[in-house]
Amino acid sequence: DAKTTQPTSMDCAEGRAANLPCNHSTISGNEYVYWYRQIHSQGPQYIIHGLKNNETNEMASLIITEDRKSSTLILPHATLRDTAVYYCIVRVPYNQGGKLIFGQGTELSVKP
Amino acid sequence: NAGVTQTPKFQVLKTGQSMTLQCAQDMNHEYMSWYRQDPGMGLRLIHYSVGAGITDQGEVPNGYNVSRSTTEDFPLRLLSAAPSQTSVYFCASSYSRGYSPLHFGNGTRLTVT
Repeated sequence: DAKTTQPTSMDCAEGRAANLPCNHSTISGNEYVYWYRQIHSQGPQYIIHGLKNNETNEMASLIITEDRKSSTLILPHATLRDTAVYYCIVRVPYNQGGKLIFGQGTELSVKP
Repeated sequence: NAGVTQTPKFQVLKTGQSMTLQCAQDMNHEYMSWYRQDPGMGLRLIHYSVGAGITDQGEVPNGYNVSRSTTEDFPLRLLSAAPSQTSVYFCASSYSRGYSPLHFGNGTRLTVT
């Protein structure tokens, strides 16, 4: 599974959009991009995933570049409750041996 | 719908003791996995299973055993606990087809003295 690179930490003002970048330059054609977050010491929470098209759900939007070497998670209106560590992960399907390998993640602090 | 249930929530062991961390899911997920998380670090994969009777090693398997006799349960065994195994342990499950997201339990906080 390909590796990802994320900034260690970011700040965002409450109510503004939070844009979290991720580099995955060695991604292969059948690997999806996933985003999870972990609040305090709770279990990680799934946010969104995508292959090559932009995706949106009730939590966030995922923008994947055309060459698929990087992506951005967008929280459109960040709240204090969005303060968490955000993990970007790439992997092949489970039934092709793909495992979810977490990196260090980005610690997002949403400030009033 | 309980999701992924881990027991116990907290555990203190002495060096050399053995114990089993329990993980159960009620979503009929084929894929299950165990992670450990140390302070200030991301999650590291210990073992995983793509279905009953099938298990495989992750990034940090040494010191841990697993088995998968049923779809619902995926226990993690520490045969002889060491202080280096002090950590928070998370169990997660998913459908194994395609790209289904993982569902995590709330963790077991283990201290080995």
